[in-house]
Amino acid sequence: DADVTQTPRNRITKTGKRIMLECSQTKGHDRMYWYRQDPGLGLRLIYYSFDVKDINKGEISDGYSVSRQAQAKFSLSLESAIPNQTALYFCATSDSGDNQPQHFGDGTRLSIL
Amino acid sequence: ILNVEQSPQSLHVQEGDSTNFTCSFPSSNFYALHWYRWETAKSPEALFVMTLNGDEKKKGRISATLNTKEGYSYLYIKGSQPEDSATYLCAPMEYGQNFVFGPGTRLSVLP
Repeated sequence: DADVTQTPRNRITKTGKRIMLECSQTKGHDRMYWYRQDPGLGLRLIYYSFDVKDINKGEISDGYSVSRQAQAKFSLSLESAIPNQTALYFCATSDSGDNQPQHFGDGTRLSIL
Repeated sequence: ILNVEQSPQSLHVQEGDSTNFTCSFPSSNFYALHWYRWETAKSPEALFVMTLNGDEKKKGRISATLNTKEGYSYLYIKGSQPEDSATYLCAPMEYGQNFVFGPGTRLSVLP
């Protein structure tokens, strides 16, 4: 079983819909992250959390929200999806400490029509 | 936001060739740099964590060096194999900030 699991793996939806992407981990890591990847660009940080109920904005948080109610789960919501949020989304986790490598889920491919 | 550049954007090499590519970042306030390998249809996997100027890390045929004074890191692959085909991402970090991923170098190793 994967240590970092993202659901769904693929989603197609319409503009204006509310979408939730889920991430769960069995690694026991305190830190969790949401990134999006667009062609030609690097992974860009949307939100991150260092502990339960700790929420921090990343580089591109507008239009997104997150929830961290348990150590193992970190969900990303698009309140009203728009086409330019079409992207590949990754969840990652890391151990505490500033210099720990990140462990990624398999990604969620989201298409907004 | 940290400005991270990787070059080349993509390259094709023949099986058995050695190759290298570059990650450039602002040298002031440097804290650490990670290298990740990202195979198509998979998720990025950490290769190296580097912190000190002059650091050199090695994993099999892949190695990396770090120059924090001039703001660059090199990744080397010796005797490339088709299974090395992937996008290689660097992610430097400044003090008190999160990692910022570069756009990656896409490597294709032709058999």
